Amino acid sequence: SQQGEEDPQALSIQEGENATMNCSYKTSINNLQWYRQNSGRGLVHLILIRSNEREKHSGRLRVTLDTSKKSSSLLITASRAADTASYFCATGSQGGKLIFGQGTELSVKP
Amino acid sequence: EAGVAQSPRYKIIEKRQSVAFWCNPISGHATLYWYQQILGQGPKLLIQFQNNGVVDDSQLPKDRFSAERLKGVDSTLKIQPAKLEDSAVYLCASSPQPWTGNGYTFGSGTRLTVV
Repeated sequence: SQQGEEDPQALSIQEGENATMNCSYKTSINNLQWYRQNSGRGLVHLILIRSNEREKHSGRLRVTLDTSKKSSSLLITASRAADTASYFCATGSQGGKLIFGQGTELSVKP
Repeated sequence: EAGVAQSPRYKIIEKRQSVAFWCNPISGHATLYWYQQILGQGPKLLIQFQNNGVVDDSQLPKDRFSAERLKGVDSTLKIQPAKLEDSAVYLCASSPQPWTGNGYTFGSGTRLTVV
């Protein structure tokens, strides 16, 4: 079963703009992770935020987590054409189980 | 360090045939996961191993799917007999135990087409 929903399902922006993707989930979590997937390739881990954290940065990525609303957002600043990919949020439980959302397909036009 | 290795990369079979996928996790990673990703959807967990024991197989269709990790290292996922709806990418991932707090490492996946 899928844990969460991502919004929007698809996003198209121009190079240099910021991209924001949202993720909502249903049950309590230990952590929330974001992954990227290029077409036909495996998943690449981007960033992880623990349930007791509210915000985290990594390069051009910023993740927020609101456990009271059971939601997270991923912001990619100054997007590049190479950022074109599908982005998935995944909730992590204490036992290590990782459950993915349906993903957001990001297209960055040069 | 070497990544998670999966083979084959692609497989095309007819319905009712059987197929097997292989995964070799990162050396030393005790936890191994198999996911099924249908086109346009997020990955769905099929089974989680810790060493050679099953932690969670609640989403595994046990009438046709089986998985093993006999020596606690590499793993095999089998489908017998395959159905059209099994067409998907099968992803393997691994993580260390105890968990270090980092993300999981995924292989490139096996793309299965059932015709």
